[in-house]
Amino acid sequence: NAGVTQTPKFRVLKTGQSMTLLCAQDMNHEYMYWYRQDPGMGLRLIHYSVGEGTTAKGEVPDGYNVSRLKKQNFLLGLESAAPSQTSVYFCASSPSGRNNEQFFGPGTRLTVL
Amino acid sequence: AQSVTQLDSHVSVSEGTPVLLRCNYSSSYSPSLFWYVQHPNKGLQLLLKYTSAATLVKGINGFEAEFKKSETSFHLTKPSAHMSDAAEYFCVVSDNFGNEKLTFGTGTRLTIIP
Repeated sequence: NAGVTQTPKFRVLKTGQSMTLLCAQDMNHEYMYWYRQDPGMGLRLIHYSVGEGTTAKGEVPDGYNVSRLKKQNFLLGLESAAPSQTSVYFCASSPSGRNNEQFFGPGTRLTVL
Repeated sequence: AQSVTQLDSHVSVSEGTPVLLRCNYSSSYSPSLFWYVQHPNKGLQLLLKYTSAATLVKGINGFEAEFKKSETSFHLTKPSAHMSDAAEYFCVVSDNFGNEKLTFGTGTRLTIIP
């Protein structure tokens, strides 16, 4: 099992460019999450999904969109990147929501110039 | 509403001495509590979790944490630090009331002195 994988590992964008981050999990988990990690702020939830075809907003959803067309994949899109979106992005999955361990990917380091 | 406060942003201990990482939480309902560890340039890994069973929870790598409702605390301890314990540690709360979301603390960086 690869667990949770993220593509790409690093990316540099110019302001206004768009990109999509891909998260894939091979554990047949229902729930998937996108977080961003900024220095001194812990992890903050951007969007999440409780099953294929569903998405919901988290704590900091503005400027991001997501899609969950297949159970194993959760895509995070930036339509028009801004320097404030420079961060490390983590994807996670879990079998269900309550009390379940979330399994994290290795992260994507994004820099917006 | 739920929140978590990690009382120390940085802790340094000598190898072989005890580790104490402090966490206080706030939750409107009976919470679930977690400690995650993040090694440099890696994703987060679960150390242990409390879900209303035994108040003393044992985790991986010799770590344990005690849930104290009266003090709203969930401190992480280890009797003897190892060099491989150097990492960032996150205390996390979930309020268990139809809420799939975790709330993360700001993290404690643990440094081990040889």
